[in-house]
Amino acid sequence: AQTVTQSQPEMSVQEAETVTLSCTYDTSESDYYLFWYKQPPSRQMILVIRQEAYKQQNATENRFSVNFQKAAKSFSLKISDSQLGDAAMYFCAYRKNNNDMRFGAGTRLTVKP
Amino acid sequence: KAGVTQTPRYLIKTRGQQVTLSCSPISGHRSVSWYQQTPGQGLQFLFEYFSETQRNKGNFPGRFSGRQFSNSRSEMNVSTLELGDSALYLCASSLGRAADTQYFGPGTRLTVL
Repeated sequence: AQTVTQSQPEMSVQEAETVTLSCTYDTSESDYYLFWYKQPPSRQMILVIRQEAYKQQNATENRFSVNFQKAAKSFSLKISDSQLGDAAMYFCAYRKNNNDMRFGAGTRLTVKP
Repeated sequence: KAGVTQTPRYLIKTRGQQVTLSCSPISGHRSVSWYQQTPGQGLQFLFEYFSETQRNKGNFPGRFSGRQFSNSRSEMNVSTLELGDSALYLCASSLGRAADTQYFGPGTRLTVL
């Protein structure tokens, strides 16, 4: 079974600094999808960024980028120029074909002004 | 486009009762997934419906069931409620392909007394 591990239950970053959230996953598949979702306090979960496993290029969305290491089964999220609004729970997720999406336990990010 | 809506937003039930939660997906989305979110277990996948058929099912007891209607709206039902069923129940809709973004609703907060 595919599992997703986020080893950092909590992280903290100073406003305007950069922070990296870690995610590793376990799979024997070669083709799959990886996602980072953000869940702000008392607000809806939203997609931050997505990576297709067959693409070697790391995905980037404005201040958010990933470091996708397929062989190491690692998918970290880098947030640059952190803003107060980035404070949230961040979930890493894995999906293969149309199977169910598997989520990690989440990392709570605090942004200090 | 209107987002994913869930009703009711809050519910209080007692042990042994049953409950029905509703999810209205984004217009045009054919897939609806349900998740249970608790502080201890994190996000756990319940089931996914696609075009009125259950496509995936998580490891939950038979007390948890769902269905999807022809307009893609979905309901989930929990019978014989237990204290441990207290959780935030999230639904997410998408176009239905593995790579597609899942759009989450605000959730239904269920408290079982």
